[in-house]
Amino acid sequence: NAGVTQTPKFRILKIGQSMTLQCTQDMNHNYMYWYRQDPGMGLKLIYYSVGAGITDKGEVPNGYNVSRSTTEDFPLRLELAAPSQTSVYFCASNSGIRGAEAFFGQGTRLTVV
Amino acid sequence: AQSVTQPDIHITVSEGASLELRCNYSYGATPYLFWYVQSPGQGLQLLLKYFSGDTLVQGIKGFEAEFKRSQSSFNLRKPSVHWSDAAEYFCAVGASGANNLFFGTGTRLTVIP
Repeated sequence: NAGVTQTPKFRILKIGQSMTLQCTQDMNHNYMYWYRQDPGMGLKLIYYSVGAGITDKGEVPNGYNVSRSTTEDFPLRLELAAPSQTSVYFCASNSGIRGAEAFFGQGTRLTVV
Repeated sequence: AQSVTQPDIHITVSEGASLELRCNYSYGATPYLFWYVQSPGQGLQLLLKYFSGDTLVQGIKGFEAEFKRSQSSFNLRKPSVHWSDAAEYFCAVGASGANNLFFGTGTRLTVIP
């Protein structure tokens, strides 16, 4: 059971570079999410999607972009990386049924230097 | 607006001792409440959840939580802690709509022999 798979697990970027964090799920979930986790801050929602072709901003969207061309995939794009984007990123999905639990990937640790 | 407060940033307990992690929430309607655990370098795993009905819910790994509407609390408990329980614990409240999980800032649990 793969669940939610994120790649890469670790990445170091230089300031101004760009990259895409990949996320795929095999549970046929309509809802997918990107969170960032900073020490002592919990998880903050960056973007979310309720289905293919539909995305919306979360609490901290600045500096990021997303797309959702298929149900399975929800990549997160960082343009012009900044040190403030150093964080651990988690992708999650759920069925969208009210109160359903979210399933999380193992995270991507990103450092911007 | 929904919010979750975990007042304890870090808790240290001895192996075999009992544990209680506090969680208070703010939500205008009947909440859906979750506890997740995050082991070092891992994603988040669901421990237990509350939707309705019995206010004492049982989860995996011997954990339980009690929903108290009058106190807006959903505290996590375990009667006897094992060294493998050392991790970070997150309380979350589920809201209606797609943006449906709000996380607390987490409580880090250290278990000493």
